[in-house]
Amino acid sequence: LAKTTQPISMDSYEGQEVNITCSHNNIATNDYITWYQQFPSQGPRFIIQGYKTKVTNEVASLFIPADRKSSTLSLPRVSLSDTAVYYCLVGGTGGFKTIFGAGTRLFVKA
Amino acid sequence: EAGVAQSPRYKIIEKRQSVAFWCNPISGHATLYWYQQILGQGPKLLIQFQNNGVVDDSQLPKDRFSAERLKGVDSTLKIQPAKLEDSAVYLCASSPSGEVRETQYFGPGTRLLVL
Repeated sequence: LAKTTQPISMDSYEGQEVNITCSHNNIATNDYITWYQQFPSQGPRFIIQGYKTKVTNEVASLFIPADRKSSTLSLPRVSLSDTAVYYCLVGGTGGFKTIFGAGTRLFVKA
Repeated sequence: EAGVAQSPRYKIIEKRQSVAFWCNPISGHATLYWYQQILGQGPKLLIQFQNNGVVDDSQLPKDRFSAERLKGVDSTLKIQPAKLEDSAVYLCASSPSGEVRETQYFGPGTRLLVL
């Protein structure tokens, strides 16, 4: 199972772009990279998923280099409401366990 | 579309007592997950059901924890007897068919405090 490593915490200011990088050196060929967001007193919520290159949706972008050993979640112009914990998960098909790491605590300041 | 429902939202018990949590997944979702989230940590998978069968319970402390999903819809997680270290949020999630790359939809969780 591919293990992930993320920064424990990050601070930012409103309106800035935030990039959170996740390392997954042992990623397997079948593995996808998925990011979840968790607010206090809520369950995690899916943000974005990708396999390679770049994926963009209405919330975030996900950049994955060619070797796929890391990925970067990019949140454009963050607001106070983006203060949350962000989890990077790596897994593929075929019954792999879902493993959440400790996540990255993002704190957005005014 | 209704989300994943969990009850109760909060529970306080004394050690050695029993407690049960209930989860109703999103309609039509075959896969149901129970996670334990200790303060400051990420969720840890306890058990995964596919319909009414167990797919993975390798991290479930089976001497005290049990879970069932009898009709392949809602599920109950029980702790008997509870220990202080069981204080955590218990999250239920569901997904359509259980592939890891599928989005999991989480409920609000049940916060358990064991005194």
